[in-house]
Amino acid sequence: QQPVQSPQAVILREGEDAVINCSSSKALYSVHWYRQKHGEAPVFLMILLKGGEQKGHDKISASFNEKKQQSSLYLTASQLSYSGTYFCGTETNFGNEKLTFGTGTRLTIIP
Amino acid sequence: NAGVTQTPKFRILKIGQSMTLQCTQDMNHNYMYWYRQDPGMGLKLIYYSVGAGITDKGEVPNGYNVSRSTTEDFPLRLELAAPSQTSVYFCASSFTRRDTEAFFGQGTRLTVV
Repeated sequence: QQPVQSPQAVILREGEDAVINCSSSKALYSVHWYRQKHGEAPVFLMILLKGGEQKGHDKISASFNEKKQQSSLYLTASQLSYSGTYFCGTETNFGNEKLTFGTGTRLTIIP
Repeated sequence: NAGVTQTPKFRILKIGQSMTLQCTQDMNHNYMYWYRQDPGMGLKLIYYSVGAGITDKGEVPNGYNVSRSTTEDFPLRLELAAPSQTSVYFCASSFTRRDTEAFFGQGTRLTVV
């Protein structure tokens, strides 16, 4: 079952912060985050494994709350290069254990 | 290191025609995946493979077939093309299923008319 992402779209001015959420109805083992620019392939950002860890690099970080089966991606002091569609991908503890992606969040950064 | 290579990049098919989308990776990855992405939508898993000789269905397998005879190659076959299969197809691979990133190919844009 597909994870649910929110919001579906967001527009920010350069320098503002954004939070993108990803939630699942199933218990999760891991959450992946990818960014896709228009007309290009998705590019890996980070993976979070169950254990509630938080990860980050540069001004992009993420958290994973395994009890709530939720993950959030935090973009601080956004730059024009952050524009794109962000996807979370989830792997569950049970079942066929495939990497299933959400419907995406379109982020537009304006100067 | 080429990563994940997909061919062709673009293709127009007539209804009822067949074709094979090629995907090859040179990273010795065990796991390979085929996704389709409709305009403005997310990625839907079609088929995946955990190693040579092993494949399994994803969320939307109807109308497609796959094979995995080698570690490197994971072709996707469309037998009787339908307009509903118009989409962008992405192949991806990862070393393990859970703890490592998936690398994506550049995609194949398929139009069925």
